[in-house]
Amino acid sequence: KAGVTQTPRYLIKTRGQQVTLSCSPISGHRSVSWYQQTPGQGLQFLFEYFSETQRNKGNFPGRFSGRQFSNSRSEMNVSTLELGDSALYLCASSPGEGFSPLHFGNGTRLTVT
Amino acid sequence: TQLLEQSPQFLSIQEGENLTVYCNSSSVFSSLQWYRQEPGEGPVLLVTVVTGGEVKKLKRLTFQFGDARKDSSLHITAAQPGDTGLYLCAGAWETSGSRLTFGEGTQLTVNP
Repeated sequence: KAGVTQTPRYLIKTRGQQVTLSCSPISGHRSVSWYQQTPGQGLQFLFEYFSETQRNKGNFPGRFSGRQFSNSRSEMNVSTLELGDSALYLCASSPGEGFSPLHFGNGTRLTVT
Repeated sequence: TQLLEQSPQFLSIQEGENLTVYCNSSSVFSSLQWYRQEPGEGPVLLVTVVTGGEVKKLKRLTFQFGDARKDSSLHITAAQPGDTGLYLCAGAWETSGSRLTFGEGTQLTVNP
């Protein structure tokens, strides 16, 4: 079974630009969640999508948005990038019911200059 | 303020030594998960504990969930260099879906 795939692996953007990150979940998984990982804050929950609907949202500004497609693939968008958005963005998929363990991708490393 | 406090933050030990990592909170969780993350990769689930007082063993790793479901510990016996990595605890509530609250992590280095 293929794991969670995130593209691209690395991104360098300039402050003020926008970026779109992509995540393909494990086949059959209906839940996709996104996390931001930084050295100072650790892993912070961004949002979760289940069957194309946002089911949960973390405490991030509206510049961070996401969506999920009918095949469960998900995208995350960050607009008007700030230097502080530099981080590893991790996507995780799960069946989405009960205490399903999360299966993480290897992340997209975003650097904002 | 971090909802889940992990200690120690860094740990460097020699091969063969034992160690314990702690994860503490003032909140009660429905379940607690432990992950290990290696450089350039995403976290990988080690175990999920859901019952207060529960103890789970995974080879040389022993996980315990506190009776009050507010804290957990990870004990490694006879650590090996392959155990090196970032260990993360994460708490979940029944209604939180895939929203996990992570601790800051413990960076473990096992020297040969």
